[in-house]
Amino acid sequence: EADIYQTPRYLVIGTGKKITLECSQTMGHDKMYWYQQDPGMELHLIHYSYGVNSTEKGDLSSESTVSRIRTEHFPLTLESARPSHTSQYLCASSELGGRTGANVLTFGAGSRLTVL
Amino acid sequence: AQSVTQPDIHITVSEGASLELRCNYSYGATPYLFWYVQSPGQGLQLLLKYFSGDTLVQGIKGFEAEFKRSQSSFNLRKPSVHWSDAAEYFCAVGAAAAGNKLTFGGGTRVLVKP
Repeated sequence: EADIYQTPRYLVIGTGKKITLECSQTMGHDKMYWYQQDPGMELHLIHYSYGVNSTEKGDLSSESTVSRIRTEHFPLTLESARPSHTSQYLCASSELGGRTGANVLTFGAGSRLTVL
Repeated sequence: AQSVTQPDIHITVSEGASLELRCNYSYGATPYLFWYVQSPGQGLQLLLKYFSGDTLVQGIKGFEAEFKRSQSSFNLRKPSVHWSDAAEYFCAVGAAAAGNKLTFGGGTRVLVKP
């Protein structure tokens, strides 16, 4: 049973619309991430957060923005969607630190966005 | 910077046959290594991970992987494939020096023939 939830799972919208992809986790994890995945391609980190009020840009430049007001919630927003934003967006979370300091990511099921 | 290469984009295997997926990484020190599986339309599920210690690690669904420092490899294996193993498999590397952010390989799509 999923402990990290993404909505909507599928979204088809027109160019210029504002969209927000929701991501919530019930595990109390400090770290959260957004990855972008084009069909058949690798995952690219676009945003991450180490805790409340912490957000950082990832390795792949993105026009989207994120916020982290609550530990469990990490929404991603596109102010004006374009066809180039068509992709799958995967949210993940992990615990901070641990004995080895390594992150083990738990992923949501993804939100597949199509912009016409 | 760390990087991950999965040389095989597609692999087709018969049900019941063995499977090996290759993963090579580039990083100066010992990284943290992961294998994830993604079924169509789904997120990623962790199969197994290597942090330190025994270089042969066991995972879920009958998978195992072996860390070979001399070859900078972390290949995934399964002795007998089931039709439900058809999916996309991603190798990933993380490192403390990189803030523990994961870098993923391009993935290998596995097709299982009856």
